Amino acid sequence: DTGVSQDPRHKITKRGQNVTFRCDPISEHNRLYWYRQTLGQGPEFLTYFQNEAQLEKSRLLSDRFSAERPKGSFSTLEIQRTEQGDSAMYLCASSSPQAWETQYFGPGTRLLVL
Amino acid sequence: RKEVEQDPGPFNVPEGATVAFNCTYSNSASQSFFWYRQDCRKEPKLLMSVYSSGNEDGRFTAQLNRASQYISLLIRDSKLSDSATYLCVVNVHEKLTFGTGTRLTIIP
Repeated sequence: DTGVSQDPRHKITKRGQNVTFRCDPISEHNRLYWYRQTLGQGPEFLTYFQNEAQLEKSRLLSDRFSAERPKGSFSTLEIQRTEQGDSAMYLCASSSPQAWETQYFGPGTRLLVL
Repeated sequence: RKEVEQDPGPFNVPEGATVAFNCTYSNSASQSFFWYRQDCRKEPKLLMSVYSSGNEDGRFTAQLNRASQYISLLIRDSKLSDSATYLCVVNVHEKLTFGTGTRLTIIP
């Protein structure tokens, strides 16, 4: 499968715990995006990378959130001291240099914070 | 005011009917426009780009009116497989902003 992959697909955690999600983009794509989607809403932009550089972060990305893409390939999104309000689907997308607007999404990681 | 506004629906439409979705956006600096489709508990997928000249892909027609900051999607001869949420998406400063989506159910 050469699409965007995300791991894990589901995560249940207790409030206050840290969680980390991984995204593997399509191999030739240099841009990688993280979004969050809650029930009944569209995806909301969190942050994006071009190669290994993190170019923009949304105001939604509080200090508890950090994202990395150390080698310009896969990316991780970590949430520290999770809160119930962090429960959502976390979507990763990637795009190619020639057509960055055409973003291909992964299946998402569904997080439930108890 | 939300950057991208859509009627959330739901739209329940009989098979074979024509259905139209509308969307408005607030930022006049928006550069490009799209419709994405999202099936239940799945990831969004690009349906089509939207141009001022209008564009058609089979049973789907998208239209952009920059003056009114208005985007539309028309689905003709609807099929059961068209049941999904349709997301209006706008590119502002190299960032995609999604509407809340319009839920469509095609009834046999």
